[in-house]
Amino acid sequence: GESVGLHLPTLSVQEGDNSIINCAYSNSASDYFIWYKQESGKGPQFIIDIRSNMDKRQGQRVTVLLNKTVKHLSLQIAATQPGDSAVYFCAVARWTGNQFYFGTGTSLTVIP
Amino acid sequence: DAGITQSPRHKVTETGTPVTLRCHQTENHRYMYWYRQDPGHGLRLIHYSYGVKDTDKGEVSDGYSVSRSKTEDFLLTLESATSSQTSVYFCAISSGNEQFFGPGTRLTVL
Repeated sequence: GESVGLHLPTLSVQEGDNSIINCAYSNSASDYFIWYKQESGKGPQFIIDIRSNMDKRQGQRVTVLLNKTVKHLSLQIAATQPGDSAVYFCAVARWTGNQFYFGTGTSLTVIP
Repeated sequence: DAGITQSPRHKVTETGTPVTLRCHQTENHRYMYWYRQDPGHGLRLIHYSYGVKDTDKGEVSDGYSVSRSKTEDFLLTLESATSSQTSVYFCAISSGNEQFFGPGTRLTVL
Protein backbone atom coordinates (compact mmCIF):
# COMPACT_ATOMS: atom_id res chain seq x y z
CA GLY A 1 0.00 0.00 0.00
CA GLU A 2 0.92 3.60 0.41
CA SER A 3 0.63 6.25 3.07
CA VAL A 4 0.50 9.88 2.04
CA GLY A 5 0.71 12.78 4.45
CA LEU A 6 0.72 16.52 4.19
CA HIS A 7 2.84 18.51 6.56
CA LEU A 8 0.43 21.32 7.33
CA PRO A 9 -3.36 21.15 7.32
CA THR A 10 -3.65 24.91 6.84
CA LEU A 11 -1.48 27.60 5.33
CA SER A 12 -2.07 31.36 5.14
CA VAL A 13 -0.03 33.60 2.85
CA GLN A 14 -0.15 37.22 1.79
CA GLU A 15 -1.24 37.97 -1.74
CA GLY A 16 1.82 38.18 -3.95
CA ASP A 17 3.97 35.94 -1.76
CA ASN A 18 5.08 32.48 -2.78
CA SER A 19 3.37 29.42 -1.26
CA ILE A 20 4.94 26.06 -0.56
CA ILE A 21 2.85 22.99 0.22
CA ASN A 22 4.59 19.79 1.22
CA CYS A 23 3.70 16.12 0.97
CA ALA A 24 5.39 12.93 2.11
CA TYR A 25 4.83 9.39 0.92
CA SER A 26 5.93 6.02 2.21
CA ASN A 27 6.29 3.59 -0.68
CA SER A 28 9.57 3.92 -2.55
CA ALA A 29 8.01 2.01 -5.47
CA SER A 30 5.64 4.92 -6.15
CA ASP A 31 6.77 6.71 -9.28
CA TYR A 32 3.99 9.04 -10.31
CA PHE A 33 2.90 12.11 -8.37
CA ILE A 34 0.11 14.58 -8.93
CA TRP A 35 -1.04 17.78 -7.29
CA TYR A 36 -4.72 18.66 -7.25
CA LYS A 37 -6.59 21.81 -6.29
CA GLN A 38 -10.05 21.56 -4.81
CA GLU A 39 -12.30 24.56 -4.43
CA SER A 40 -15.24 24.52 -2.07
CA GLY A 41 -18.10 22.41 -3.39
CA LYS A 42 -16.16 21.13 -6.39
CA GLY A 43 -14.20 18.07 -7.39
CA PRO A 44 -10.39 18.02 -7.36
CA GLN A 45 -8.79 19.66 -10.37
CA PHE A 46 -5.46 18.55 -11.84
CA ILE A 47 -2.67 21.10 -11.44
CA ILE A 48 0.60 19.41 -12.32
CA ASP A 49 2.23 15.99 -12.26
CA ILE A 50 5.72 14.56 -12.19
CA ARG A 51 7.24 11.17 -12.77
CA SER A 52 10.09 9.78 -10.74
CA ASN A 53 12.62 10.22 -13.53
CA MET A 54 12.42 13.96 -12.89
CA ASP A 55 13.05 16.02 -9.77
CA LYS A 56 11.45 19.26 -10.92
CA ARG A 57 8.69 20.28 -13.25
CA GLN A 58 7.28 23.72 -13.91
CA GLY A 59 3.89 24.89 -15.04
CA GLN A 60 2.25 28.24 -15.13
CA ARG A 61 3.11 29.82 -11.74
CA VAL A 62 3.48 26.35 -10.22
CA THR A 63 6.51 24.13 -9.68
CA VAL A 64 6.59 20.62 -8.31
CA LEU A 65 9.76 19.34 -6.67
CA LEU A 66 10.36 15.67 -5.99
CA ASN A 67 12.95 14.28 -3.59
CA LYS A 68 12.89 10.51 -3.94
CA THR A 69 15.62 10.02 -1.35
CA VAL A 70 13.42 11.28 1.47
CA LYS A 71 10.13 10.51 -0.30
CA HIS A 72 8.96 14.09 -0.29
CA LEU A 73 7.35 16.35 -2.83
CA SER A 74 6.32 19.95 -2.75
CA LEU A 75 4.14 22.32 -4.69
CA GLN A 76 5.32 25.88 -5.07
CA ILE A 77 2.91 28.57 -6.18
CA ALA A 78 4.51 31.82 -7.29
CA ALA A 79 2.90 35.20 -6.64
CA THR A 80 -0.07 33.67 -4.86
CA GLN A 81 -3.41 35.20 -5.78
CA PRO A 82 -6.81 35.18 -4.01
CA GLY A 83 -8.06 32.72 -6.62
CA ASP A 84 -5.46 30.24 -5.38
CA SER A 85 -7.35 29.86 -2.10
CA ALA A 86 -8.40 26.20 -2.03
CA VAL A 87 -7.46 22.82 -0.62
CA TYR A 88 -4.43 21.24 -2.27
CA PHE A 89 -3.90 17.46 -2.39
CA CYS A 90 -1.02 15.36 -3.48
CA ALA A 91 -1.68 11.95 -4.99
CA VAL A 92 0.81 9.14 -5.33
CA ALA A 93 0.65 6.15 -7.66
CA ARG A 94 2.56 3.62 -9.67
CA TRP A 95 2.88 4.67 -13.32
CA THR A 96 1.83 1.16 -14.33
CA GLY A 97 -0.85 0.84 -11.67
CA ASN A 98 -4.47 1.81 -11.35
CA GLN A 99 -4.68 3.06 -7.80
CA PHE A 100 -3.97 6.50 -6.45
CA TYR A 101 -3.36 7.36 -2.82
CA PHE A 102 -4.27 10.82 -1.64
CA GLY A 103 -3.05 13.04 1.16
CA THR A 104 -5.54 14.74 3.46
CA GLY A 105 -5.08 18.16 1.94
CA THR A 106 -3.67 21.55 2.89
CA SER A 107 -6.11 24.42 3.00
CA LEU A 108 -4.47 27.49 1.51
CA THR A 109 -5.86 30.91 2.40
CA VAL A 110 -4.59 33.95 0.55
CA ILE A 111 -4.81 37.19 2.52
CA PRO A 112 -5.43 40.23 0.32
CA ASP B 1 -15.19 18.69 -15.26
CA ALA B 2 -13.78 16.84 -18.31
CA GLY B 3 -17.14 15.44 -19.41
CA ILE B 4 -18.08 13.78 -16.15
CA THR B 5 -21.44 14.15 -14.48
CA GLN B 6 -22.69 12.68 -11.25
CA SER B 7 -26.27 12.20 -10.15
CA PRO B 8 -27.81 13.02 -7.86
CA ARG B 9 -25.68 15.90 -6.60
CA HIS B 10 -27.30 15.78 -3.17
CA LYS B 11 -29.25 13.05 -1.43
CA VAL B 12 -30.64 12.54 2.04
CA THR B 13 -31.75 9.04 2.90
CA GLU B 14 -32.52 6.91 5.92
CA THR B 15 -30.51 4.11 7.46
CA GLY B 16 -31.24 0.76 5.88
CA THR B 17 -32.42 2.06 2.51
CA PRO B 18 -30.66 1.23 -0.76
CA VAL B 19 -28.98 4.08 -2.62
CA THR B 20 -27.48 4.19 -6.11
CA LEU B 21 -25.19 6.93 -7.32
CA ARG B 22 -24.49 7.36 -11.00
CA CYS B 23 -21.38 8.53 -12.78
CA HIS B 24 -21.58 9.31 -16.48
CA GLN B 25 -18.69 10.19 -18.78
CA THR B 26 -18.56 11.38 -22.37
CA GLU B 27 -14.80 10.88 -22.78
CA ASN B 28 -14.79 7.15 -23.55
CA HIS B 29 -12.10 6.60 -20.93
CA ARG B 30 -11.35 3.05 -19.90
CA TYR B 31 -10.91 3.55 -16.17
CA MET B 32 -13.54 4.82 -13.79
CA TYR B 33 -13.28 5.22 -10.03
CA TRP B 34 -15.45 5.89 -7.02
CA TYR B 35 -13.95 7.70 -4.03
CA ARG B 36 -15.33 9.02 -0.79
CA GLN B 37 -14.07 12.13 0.89
CA ASP B 38 -14.36 12.67 4.63
CA PRO B 39 -12.86 15.26 7.00
CA GLY B 40 -9.43 14.18 8.21
CA HIS B 41 -9.03 11.67 5.42
CA GLY B 42 -7.74 11.98 1.93
CA LEU B 43 -9.84 10.71 -0.92
CA ARG B 44 -10.27 6.98 -0.38
CA LEU B 45 -10.91 4.55 -3.18
CA ILE B 46 -14.08 2.49 -2.91
CA HIS B 47 -14.12 0.58 -6.20
CA TYR B 48 -12.77 1.05 -9.65
CA SER B 49 -13.42 -0.31 -13.11
CA TYR B 50 -10.97 -1.05 -15.91
CA GLY B 51 -13.57 -1.86 -18.52
CA VAL B 52 -17.16 -2.92 -19.09
CA LYS B 53 -18.06 -5.53 -16.48
CA ASP B 54 -14.50 -5.38 -15.08
CA THR B 55 -14.33 -4.00 -11.57
CA ASP B 56 -12.13 -4.33 -8.51
CA LYS B 57 -12.22 -3.34 -4.88
CA GLY B 58 -10.47 -0.40 -3.39
CA GLU B 59 -9.39 0.49 0.10
CA VAL B 60 -12.89 0.99 1.60
CA SER B 61 -15.17 -1.30 -0.38
CA ASP B 62 -17.19 -2.86 2.46
CA GLY B 63 -20.87 -1.99 2.18
CA TYR B 64 -20.59 -0.87 -1.45
CA SER B 65 -21.06 -2.56 -4.79
CA VAL B 66 -20.55 -1.28 -8.32
CA SER B 67 -21.59 -2.09 -11.83
CA ARG B 68 -20.43 -1.03 -15.25
CA SER B 69 -22.62 -2.28 -18.07
CA LYS B 70 -21.57 0.46 -20.48
CA THR B 71 -18.31 2.34 -20.98
CA GLU B 72 -19.94 5.62 -20.08
CA ASP B 73 -21.71 4.66 -16.85
CA PHE B 74 -20.37 3.50 -13.50
CA LEU B 75 -22.90 2.93 -10.73
CA LEU B 76 -22.17 2.83 -7.01
CA THR B 77 -24.74 1.09 -4.82
CA LEU B 78 -25.12 1.14 -1.08
CA GLU B 79 -27.29 -1.94 -0.48
CA SER B 80 -28.34 -0.82 2.99
CA ALA B 81 -27.11 2.65 3.84
CA THR B 82 -25.56 3.33 7.25
CA SER B 83 -24.74 6.61 8.95
CA SER B 84 -21.02 5.90 8.49
CA GLN B 85 -21.60 6.19 4.75
CA THR B 86 -22.52 9.85 5.06
CA SER B 87 -19.87 11.43 2.89
CA VAL B 88 -19.10 13.23 -0.33
CA TYR B 89 -18.64 10.79 -3.19
CA PHE B 90 -16.49 11.57 -6.20
CA CYS B 91 -16.30 9.75 -9.46
CA ALA B 92 -13.12 9.97 -11.52
CA ILE B 93 -12.10 8.82 -14.98
CA SER B 94 -8.76 8.08 -16.51
CA SER B 95 -7.42 6.95 -19.85
CA GLY B 96 -3.96 6.30 -18.48
CA ASN B 97 -2.56 8.09 -15.53
CA GLU B 98 -4.13 11.50 -15.07
CA GLN B 99 -7.50 11.35 -13.30
CA PHE B 100 -10.34 13.77 -13.90
CA PHE B 101 -12.95 14.18 -11.22
CA GLY B 102 -16.66 14.78 -11.30
CA PRO B 103 -18.43 17.45 -9.23
CA GLY B 104 -19.29 15.10 -6.36
CA THR B 105 -22.44 13.80 -4.67
CA ARG B 106 -23.15 14.77 -1.09
CA LEU B 107 -24.92 11.87 0.63
CA THR B 108 -26.43 12.14 4.08
CA VAL B 109 -27.69 9.01 5.82
CA LEU B 110 -29.94 9.78 8.78
